[in-house]
Amino acid sequence: NAGVTQTPKFQVLKTGQSMTLQCAQDMNHEYMSWYRQDPGMGLRLIHYSVGAGITDQGEVPNGYNVSRSTTEDFPLRLLSAAPSQTSVYFCASSGTNRHEQFFGPGTRLTVL
Amino acid sequence: SQQGEEDPQALSIQEGENATMNCSYKTSINNLQWYRQNSGRGLVHLILIRSNEREKHSGRLRVTLDTSKKSSSLLITASRAADTASYFCATGQGAQKLVFGQGTRLTINP
Repeated sequence: NAGVTQTPKFQVLKTGQSMTLQCAQDMNHEYMSWYRQDPGMGLRLIHYSVGAGITDQGEVPNGYNVSRSTTEDFPLRLLSAAPSQTSVYFCASSGTNRHEQFFGPGTRLTVL
Repeated sequence: SQQGEEDPQALSIQEGENATMNCSYKTSINNLQWYRQNSGRGLVHLILIRSNEREKHSGRLRVTLDTSKKSSSLLITASRAADTASYFCATGQGAQKLVFGQGTRLTINP
C-alpha cells in the first residue's frame, strides 16, 4: 500500500492564481482531512470529509474548496491564491471506528 | 483556536536521558493522541489514550491523562538520536476533527 499520497510536493503560485492540491489514499478509509501548518505552529483543519459526497468545514476554510467524489481522492482547491495561504498542506485519512490519522508527506506552497 | 498547548516549546537532552513533554487542553475530550513529526515530513501517530484511561504504554513511550486537570504527558525513556522530532498532542470528539497543539521540538544530543 502506498498509504496517503500528495502531489505536488512543492508549488509556487502568483497571487490570484488557482490550483488544486491532490490527495489520494489506498486504504479504503472513510475519513479524509486537509490541514495547513504554518512555521512554529501545529496543524489547523481546513476541510474534512466523512465519506464520498460528504464534506464539511474545519477551523480555517476560507479561500479553499473541496469535493469528495470517490473514497480514494480528496482534492483541495485554491480559487484565488493569496500570500496568506503560503504554508505546508497535509492530507490525512482514517478508517471507520479508528481515531488515528495517517498523514501524507505534505505539499509546500508559496504564494508570491 | 488551537485546543492543545504543549510545554515546553523546545527541549534538548542527552542521548539516553528521559524526555517529558506536557499537553493541556480546554474542553472535554473522548481521546487524546500524540503524533511525531520529523523535519520536513508528515505526522506519524504514536499513541492514543481514551478519556477513561489514566496511563498507557507503548514500547519506550508512556502517556498519562488527567481529565480533571485537562492535561496529558508523554514520556520517552532512554532517548535515542532518532527521537529528534516535533511532538504534537491532538484532541477530538472523533477521528475527523482533531485539534492539534503547537508542538514540542525535541532534540537528542549524542
